Amino acid sequence: GAVVSQHPSWVICKSGTSVKIECRSLDFQATTMFWYRQFPKQSLMLMATSNEGSKATYEQGVEKDKFLINHASLTLSTLTVTSAHPEDSSFYICSASGTGTGNYEQYFGPGTRLTVT
Amino acid sequence: GQNIDQPTEMTATEGAIVQINCTYQTSGFNGLFWYQQHAGEAPTFLSYNVLDGLEEKGRFSSFLSRSKGYSYLLLKELQMKDSASYLCAVRDDYKLSFGAGTTVTVRA
Repeated sequence: GAVVSQHPSWVICKSGTSVKIECRSLDFQATTMFWYRQFPKQSLMLMATSNEGSKATYEQGVEKDKFLINHASLTLSTLTVTSAHPEDSSFYICSASGTGTGNYEQYFGPGTRLTVT
Repeated sequence: GQNIDQPTEMTATEGAIVQINCTYQTSGFNGLFWYQQHAGEAPTFLSYNVLDGLEEKGRFSSFLSRSKGYSYLLLKELQMKDSASYLCAVRDDYKLSFGAGTTVTVRA
């Protein structure tokens, strides 16, 4: 149990365009979802935390107008990278936790590799 | 702020034991997690400690000392598939802060 999926698994887009990444909890209700970014050979950096039905809380230094997060249901959160630039190229990973997950553990999605050309 | 330190790289031989240390200084503490991450993949959960002591789970064990701000992950009977990055993460309230990860290379 506690499976989280992400779509797409990889995407290439042109500079200036927007990209939407979906994160779904498949077998539990995700009251909280987290979005991370990971650059090569670096650790995961939390970008924002979203609770279902409310606005996301962004970490310091993360532009909320650039990284739009929507958590409209207990099984789906989306991250939209607006006006993407090459420096936004990274591995984006979501995680989810809910009342059914033990110790409020976060379950991670498989990640989305974004390349901006 | 959060400060989580772990060694960058470790190398060990197949069948051996490796211990990955993690020290942390965080504003709050609500548990410590260890994750395994293979290149290009998402992290997978290995262990969770919230009380002092040793948690054993098959070939993997994790230890925590809250007073020392210290944890270690012990990998026994190493297999080639254990070659990966191992991430130490501290939970403060509901958020996880990750260390930079330790890349373990298992050699035949």
